[in-house]
Amino acid sequence: GEDVEQSLFLSVREGDSSVINCTYTDSSSTYLYWYKQEPGAGLQLLTYIFSNMDMKQDQRLTVLLNKKDKHLSLRIADTQTGDSAIYFCAERLLKLSFGAGTTVTVRA
Amino acid sequence: DTAVSQTPKYLVTQMGNDKSIKCEQNLGHDTMYWYKQDSKKFLKIMFSYNNKELIINETVPNRFSPKSPDKAHLNLHINSLELGDSAVYFCASSQEGQGSTEAFFGQGTRLTVV
Repeated sequence: GEDVEQSLFLSVREGDSSVINCTYTDSSSTYLYWYKQEPGAGLQLLTYIFSNMDMKQDQRLTVLLNKKDKHLSLRIADTQTGDSAIYFCAERLLKLSFGAGTTVTVRA
Repeated sequence: DTAVSQTPKYLVTQMGNDKSIKCEQNLGHDTMYWYKQDSKKFLKIMFSYNNKELIINETVPNRFSPKSPDKAHLNLHINSLELGDSAVYFCASSQEGQGSTEAFFGQGTRLTVV
């Protein structure tokens, strides 16, 4: 987690967009990932982006990568109650390094 | 079919005991990992094995000994358990090489040392 930083909590109203931010330190990371962890479960890969891309869209998910600032974000459109979970940003070098996770709470 | 499976899912044991957690993956991946998730949900890599060989050992106490009998299995043995070992332990696997090399995670083993 020292190399990847995220804010710890995000509260969002159902139907609004959620934006989760992440900063990483190593510019030689090839891939950057977003994982989702629901209560009592393991991590599931949500999406990933290759380092030569700026943006990737996958249905309600949009990933933005600013390589110059080493900043990664995940936007979830039309947030639903099922999106309540912990979201981990991760960078890949020799190993996967994870951020501390952002707990997203969706309120009605 | 579960891709990465760990057993047991829950483990409650007394301080000083020795315990093992098993992990198996049926994805044909060549790399397996153990991660520890503490009470603050912080996820930290402990070990990584590639084709049964240890490639990452992240300053984990030597009471923790991973064993990989073949590339589909990576077990974790812990000697002389301490209170601070209480955590959720996740096994994961990936296929190294070209491509996104995403890691697939097991459901976790919640270890409670009392």
